Amino acid sequence: GAVVSQHPSWVICKSGTSVKIECRSLDFQATTMFWYRQFPKQSLMLMATSNEGSKATYEQGVEKDKFLINHASLTLSTLTVTSAHPEDSSFYICSARPSVWAQVRRHSPLHFGNGTRLTVT
Amino acid sequence: GQQVMQIPQYQHVQEGEDFTTYCNSSTTLSNIQWYKQRPGGHPVFLIQLVKSGEVKKQKRLTFQFGEAKKNSSLHITATQTTDVGTYFCAGLSNYQLIWGAGTKLIIKP
Repeated sequence: GAVVSQHPSWVICKSGTSVKIECRSLDFQATTMFWYRQFPKQSLMLMATSNEGSKATYEQGVEKDKFLINHASLTLSTLTVTSAHPEDSSFYICSARPSVWAQVRRHSPLHFGNGTRLTVT
Repeated sequence: GQQVMQIPQYQHVQEGEDFTTYCNSSTTLSNIQWYKQRPGGHPVFLIQLVKSGEVKKQKRLTFQFGEAKKNSSLHITATQTTDVGTYFCAGLSNYQLIWGAGTKLIIKP
Protein backbone atom coordinates (compact mmCIF):
# COMPACT_ATOMS: atom_id res chain seq x y z
CA GLY A 1 0.00 0.00 0.00
CA ALA A 2 0.80 3.74 0.04
CA VAL A 3 2.06 3.92 -3.54
CA VAL A 4 3.00 7.27 -5.04
CA SER A 5 3.27 7.55 -8.81
CA GLN A 6 5.24 10.34 -10.43
CA HIS A 7 5.20 11.16 -14.13
CA PRO A 8 7.20 11.62 -16.27
CA SER A 9 10.30 9.77 -15.09
CA TRP A 10 12.51 11.92 -17.21
CA VAL A 11 12.07 14.86 -19.53
CA ILE A 12 14.32 16.88 -21.79
CA CYS A 13 13.10 20.30 -22.78
CA LYS A 14 14.40 23.41 -24.45
CA SER A 15 15.23 26.52 -22.52
CA GLY A 16 12.20 28.80 -22.16
CA THR A 17 9.58 26.07 -22.27
CA SER A 18 7.45 24.86 -19.37
CA VAL A 19 7.33 21.36 -17.95
CA LYS A 20 4.58 19.81 -15.84
CA ILE A 21 5.29 16.99 -13.41
CA GLU A 22 2.46 14.96 -11.90
CA CYS A 23 2.40 13.25 -8.53
CA ARG A 24 -0.42 10.84 -7.75
CA SER A 25 -1.23 8.85 -4.67
CA LEU A 26 -2.59 5.61 -6.08
CA ASP A 27 -4.17 3.86 -3.12
CA PHE A 28 -4.65 6.57 -0.55
CA GLN A 29 -5.76 10.16 -0.21
CA ALA A 30 -3.18 12.80 0.54
CA THR A 31 -4.20 16.19 1.83
CA THR A 32 -0.58 17.21 1.76
CA MET A 33 2.14 16.41 -0.69
CA PHE A 34 5.72 17.58 -0.68
CA TRP A 35 7.98 18.56 -3.57
CA TYR A 36 11.71 18.09 -3.27
CA ARG A 37 14.63 18.89 -5.49
CA GLN A 38 17.85 16.94 -5.45
CA PHE A 39 21.09 17.95 -7.11
CA PRO A 40 23.65 15.25 -7.94
CA LYS A 41 25.34 13.82 -4.87
CA GLN A 42 23.34 16.07 -2.58
CA SER A 43 20.51 15.66 -0.14
CA LEU A 44 16.87 16.37 -0.68
CA MET A 45 15.82 19.99 -0.53
CA LEU A 46 12.20 20.71 0.29
CA MET A 47 10.83 23.16 -2.24
CA ALA A 48 7.22 23.43 -1.19
CA THR A 49 4.34 21.81 0.62
CA SER A 50 1.32 21.26 -1.56
CA ASN A 51 -2.05 21.55 0.20
CA GLU A 52 -5.22 20.21 -1.37
CA GLY A 53 -7.65 22.99 -2.16
CA SER A 54 -5.38 25.81 -1.07
CA LYS A 55 -2.16 27.55 -1.97
CA ALA A 56 1.14 25.78 -1.64
CA THR A 57 3.60 26.78 1.04
CA TYR A 58 7.00 27.53 -0.46
CA GLU A 59 10.34 27.29 1.27
CA GLN A 60 12.55 30.31 1.51
CA GLY A 61 14.37 31.00 -1.73
CA VAL A 62 11.98 29.06 -3.96
CA GLU A 63 10.30 31.22 -6.59
CA LYS A 64 6.55 30.78 -6.48
CA ASP A 65 6.04 32.10 -9.99
CA LYS A 66 8.62 29.77 -11.43
CA PHE A 67 7.56 26.59 -9.69
CA LEU A 68 3.79 26.50 -9.89
CA ILE A 69 2.09 23.94 -7.70
CA ASN A 70 -1.50 22.84 -8.01
CA HIS A 71 -3.15 20.33 -5.68
CA ALA A 72 -6.61 20.08 -7.18
CA SER A 73 -7.66 16.76 -5.68
CA LEU A 74 -6.78 14.49 -2.79
CA THR A 75 -4.77 12.24 -5.08
CA LEU A 76 -3.02 14.61 -7.47
CA SER A 77 -0.49 17.39 -7.16
CA THR A 78 1.35 18.95 -10.08
CA LEU A 79 4.54 20.96 -10.26
CA THR A 80 5.06 23.14 -13.32
CA VAL A 81 8.51 24.51 -13.99
CA THR A 82 7.83 27.63 -16.01
CA SER A 83 10.26 29.14 -18.51
CA ALA A 84 12.82 26.48 -17.68
CA HIS A 85 16.52 27.25 -17.86
CA PRO A 86 19.53 24.92 -17.74
CA GLU A 87 20.06 25.71 -14.05
CA ASP A 88 16.64 24.17 -13.38
CA SER A 89 17.98 20.80 -14.50
CA SER A 90 17.66 18.53 -11.50
CA PHE A 91 15.92 15.52 -9.99
CA TYR A 92 12.47 16.46 -8.71
CA ILE A 93 10.75 14.12 -6.26
CA CYS A 94 7.32 14.28 -4.72
CA SER A 95 6.20 12.60 -1.55
CA ALA A 96 2.95 12.14 0.28
CA ARG A 97 1.56 11.04 3.60
CA PRO A 98 -1.88 9.41 3.83
CA SER A 99 -4.51 11.89 5.07
CA VAL A 100 -5.95 9.35 7.44
CA TRP A 101 -2.66 9.42 9.31
CA ALA A 102 -2.45 13.21 9.34
CA GLN A 103 -3.98 13.60 12.77
CA VAL A 104 -3.36 10.25 14.36
CA ARG A 105 0.18 9.72 13.15
CA ARG A 106 1.55 13.11 12.37
CA HIS A 107 5.03 11.73 12.58
CA SER A 108 4.46 9.02 10.04
CA PRO A 109 7.01 8.53 7.28
CA LEU A 110 6.78 9.79 3.74
CA HIS A 111 6.17 7.76 0.62
CA PHE A 112 8.07 8.97 -2.39
CA GLY A 113 7.38 8.94 -6.08
CA ASN A 114 10.06 7.63 -8.41
CA GLY A 115 11.25 11.11 -9.24
CA THR A 116 11.54 13.10 -12.45
CA ARG A 117 14.89 13.86 -13.98
CA LEU A 118 14.61 17.17 -15.79
CA THR A 119 17.23 18.25 -18.30
CA VAL A 120 16.93 21.68 -19.84
CA THR A 121 19.02 22.25 -22.94
CA GLY B 1 18.42 27.24 11.81
CA GLN B 2 17.76 23.65 12.66
CA GLN B 3 20.25 21.25 11.15
CA VAL B 4 20.95 17.57 11.01
CA MET B 5 24.57 16.80 10.36
CA GLN B 6 25.28 13.41 8.81
CA ILE B 7 28.72 11.84 8.48
CA PRO B 8 30.61 10.56 6.68
CA GLN B 9 29.68 11.77 3.23
CA TYR B 10 31.07 8.62 1.64
CA GLN B 11 32.24 5.28 2.96
CA HIS B 12 34.13 2.77 0.86
CA VAL B 13 34.07 -0.75 2.22
CA GLN B 14 35.02 -4.20 1.06
CA GLU B 15 32.08 -6.52 0.72
CA GLY B 16 31.64 -8.21 4.06
CA GLU B 17 32.93 -5.27 6.08
CA ASP B 18 30.72 -3.20 8.34
CA PHE B 19 29.31 0.26 7.59
CA THR B 20 28.13 2.99 9.94
CA THR B 21 26.60 6.41 9.39
CA TYR B 22 25.91 8.97 12.10
CA CYS B 23 23.44 11.82 12.41
CA ASN B 24 23.56 14.63 14.91
CA SER B 25 20.88 17.26 15.37
CA SER B 26 21.24 20.76 16.74
CA THR B 27 17.86 20.37 18.45
CA THR B 28 15.90 17.63 20.19
CA LEU B 29 13.94 15.57 17.70
CA SER B 30 10.43 14.15 17.94
CA ASN B 31 11.58 11.18 15.91
CA ILE B 32 14.16 10.22 13.37
CA GLN B 33 13.52 8.41 10.13
CA TRP B 34 15.97 6.57 7.93
CA TYR B 35 15.70 6.25 4.17
CA LYS B 36 17.74 4.45 1.53
CA GLN B 37 18.16 5.78 -1.98
CA ARG B 38 19.62 3.49 -4.63
CA PRO B 39 21.56 5.10 -7.48
CA GLY B 40 19.06 6.71 -9.84
CA GLY B 41 16.17 5.89 -7.55
CA HIS B 42 14.01 7.59 -5.00
CA PRO B 43 14.26 7.46 -1.20
CA VAL B 44 12.64 4.46 0.38
CA PHE B 45 11.61 4.50 4.01
CA LEU B 46 13.52 2.05 6.19
CA ILE B 47 12.54 2.72 9.77
CA GLN B 48 11.42 5.28 12.31
CA LEU B 49 12.76 5.69 15.85
CA VAL B 50 10.70 7.57 18.41
CA LYS B 51 11.80 6.71 21.93
CA SER B 52 14.88 7.91 23.73
CA GLY B 53 17.60 5.25 23.57
CA GLU B 54 15.61 3.14 21.14
CA VAL B 55 17.39 0.40 19.20
CA LYS B 56 15.80 -1.42 16.29
CA LYS B 57 17.13 -4.12 14.06
CA GLN B 58 16.28 -5.18 10.55
CA LYS B 59 18.35 -8.24 9.67
CA ARG B 60 21.89 -6.84 9.29
CA LEU B 61 20.86 -3.24 9.94
CA THR B 62 20.88 -1.78 13.44
CA PHE B 63 19.37 1.63 14.13
CA GLN B 64 19.93 3.60 17.32
CA PHE B 65 18.38 6.77 18.71
CA GLY B 66 20.35 8.60 21.36
CA GLU B 67 19.22 9.17 24.91
CA ALA B 68 18.89 12.90 24.32
CA LYS B 69 17.04 12.31 21.03
CA LYS B 70 19.60 14.40 19.21
CA ASN B 71 21.68 11.74 17.52
CA SER B 72 21.17 8.52 15.68
CA SER B 73 23.19 5.89 13.87
CA LEU B 74 22.73 3.17 11.31
CA HIS B 75 25.08 0.22 11.35
CA ILE B 76 25.19 -2.44 8.67
CA THR B 77 26.97 -5.67 9.49
CA ALA B 78 28.75 -7.62 6.76
CA THR B 79 27.79 -5.40 3.84
CA GLN B 80 26.54 -6.93 0.61
CA THR B 81 26.36 -5.47 -2.89
CA THR B 82 22.63 -4.98 -2.42
CA ASP B 83 23.39 -2.49 0.35
CA VAL B 84 24.90 -0.01 -2.11
CA GLY B 85 23.17 3.35 -2.09
CA THR B 86 22.88 6.54 -0.09
CA TYR B 87 21.44 6.41 3.39
CA PHE B 88 19.64 9.49 4.68
CA CYS B 89 18.47 10.30 8.13
CA ALA B 90 15.61 12.76 8.54
CA GLY B 91 14.74 14.23 11.90
CA LEU B 92 11.34 15.54 12.79
CA SER B 93 11.42 18.80 14.74
CA ASN B 94 8.51 21.21 15.14
CA TYR B 95 6.61 19.12 12.58
CA GLN B 96 9.30 19.79 10.00
CA LEU B 97 11.41 17.03 8.53
CA ILE B 98 15.06 18.01 8.45
CA TRP B 99 17.22 15.91 6.18
CA GLY B 100 20.80 14.90 6.69
CA ALA B 101 23.15 15.16 3.73
CA GLY B 102 23.30 11.40 3.31
CA THR B 103 26.09 8.86 3.44
CA LYS B 104 26.93 7.01 0.29
CA LEU B 105 27.90 3.38 0.76
CA ILE B 106 30.34 2.22 -1.90
CA ILE B 107 31.50 -1.36 -2.20
CA LYS B 108 35.10 -1.62 -3.37
CA PRO B 109 35.54 -3.83 -6.43
